[in-house]
Amino acid sequence: QVQLQESGPGLVKPSETLSLTCTVSGGSISSYYWSWIRQPPGKGLEWIAFINDDGGANYNPSLKSRLTISVDTSKSQFSLKLTSVTAADTAVYYCARGSFSSGFYLDYWGQGTLVTVSS
Amino acid sequence: DIQMTQSPSSLSASVGDRVTITCRASQSISNYLNWYQQKPGKAPKLLIYAASSLQSGVPSRFSGSGSGTDFTLTISSLQPEDFATYYCQQSYNTPRTFGPGTKVDTK
Repeated sequence: QVQLQESGPGLVKPSETLSLTCTVSGGSISSYYWSWIRQPPGKGLEWIAFINDDGGANYNPSLKSRLTISVDTSKSQFSLKLTSVTAADTAVYYCARGSFSSGFYLDYWGQGTLVTVSS
Repeated sequence: DIQMTQSPSSLSASVGDRVTITCRASQSISNYLNWYQQKPGKAPKLLIYAASSLQSGVPSRFSGSGSGTDFTLTISSLQPEDFATYYCQQSYNTPRTFGPGTKVDTK
């Protein structure tokens, strides 16, 4: 059974960089698209980006200028860095596995981690 | 960006009811439409992909239909564990936008 687990600081100061890592277990990191999605408290879902196992990435244009995602296949991990954060970046951040088969869909998700941007 | 809308934003229903949720895209997305279920404090769960394909392990009371701009998620007989928020997502292009959600609660 594929499992994903997010890790990283739960509190980030305004203007600093938010860094999260997702560790994948129970399955191969190859041939899938590893994704980040966020959800502000009490609000809906926002797709952030995905990356495949050879580093090809696709970003939400609204975040692209502040965003970097990377993958480390040797550790079965992928990561997100979001720079110059503000209170608007406060959210539960989810990592998920994306599959391209009859479209793109997210079939396995991590439990999510709350990141609060506050001084 | 493709904008996704859902109706209703919330509904109240009873166990055994047939429930229908509608999702509309701002442009044609063929059948590149997914449905997710989210319960409070939990990650979303994939129910339907490619508009009508049932994800493995999802009960057959869930079904999806539609193509182009208009899509429907139907729960044929609502069960206690189905009270949740439901989101559609287009996978036609970037960004892979989600709808605002439909909350299904108990009548």
